[in-house]
Amino acid sequence: NAGVTQTPKFQVLKTGQSMTLQCAQDMNHNSMYWYRQDPGMGLRLIYYSASEGTTDKGEVPNGYNVSRLNKREFSLRLESAAPSQTSVYFCASSESWTAQLEAFFGQGTRLTVV
Amino acid sequence: RKEVEQDPGPFNVPEGATVAFNCTYSNSASQSFFWYRQDCRKEPKLLMSVYSSGNEDGRFTAQLNRASQYISLLIRDSKLSDSATYLCVCRTSGGYQKVTFGIGTKLQVIP
Repeated sequence: NAGVTQTPKFQVLKTGQSMTLQCAQDMNHNSMYWYRQDPGMGLRLIYYSASEGTTDKGEVPNGYNVSRLNKREFSLRLESAAPSQTSVYFCASSESWTAQLEAFFGQGTRLTVV
Repeated sequence: RKEVEQDPGPFNVPEGATVAFNCTYSNSASQSFFWYRQDCRKEPKLLMSVYSSGNEDGRFTAQLNRASQYISLLIRDSKLSDSATYLCVCRTSGGYQKVTFGIGTKLQVIP
């Protein structure tokens, strides 16, 4: 059972470089999310997609863009990476937006921007 | 002041001990509460929801005190495998359900 799969697991970027974090779920979930987790701070929602075809900003969207490619896939793009974006990124999915906190999380992407 | 406050710990307890964590929240619009567990360098996983009347799941008991705006998690008969960070999560009601995660409390169960 794959659940939620994120790639890559680790990445080092130079300031100004761009990259896309990929996320795919195989549970036929409608809603998908991107979070970041930083030391001393709780998980914070970057963007979410309540259903296929929709995306919305979360708490900390600046510097990121997302694409809900289809029901399974939700990608997060950093257009011009900054050291402040060094973080652990988690993708998650749930049956619906109201079930956000019954979500399944991917294993995370550890991103370092130098 | 953070919307959700937790003591980061670590709480070091011997196997078999009972340990309790508290989490306070400041947003009075918070209506739903949850505890998550996160193992070191792993993803968070839902441990249990917290109901107004309190609820139990095996060795774990969650309580909510709306008047004082805190939730608690009690773990009885601690196991080595309980070692993890426990995240408190609050969600407001309404059209946009704002979700706030605490920073987590680290538990280390010692043999």
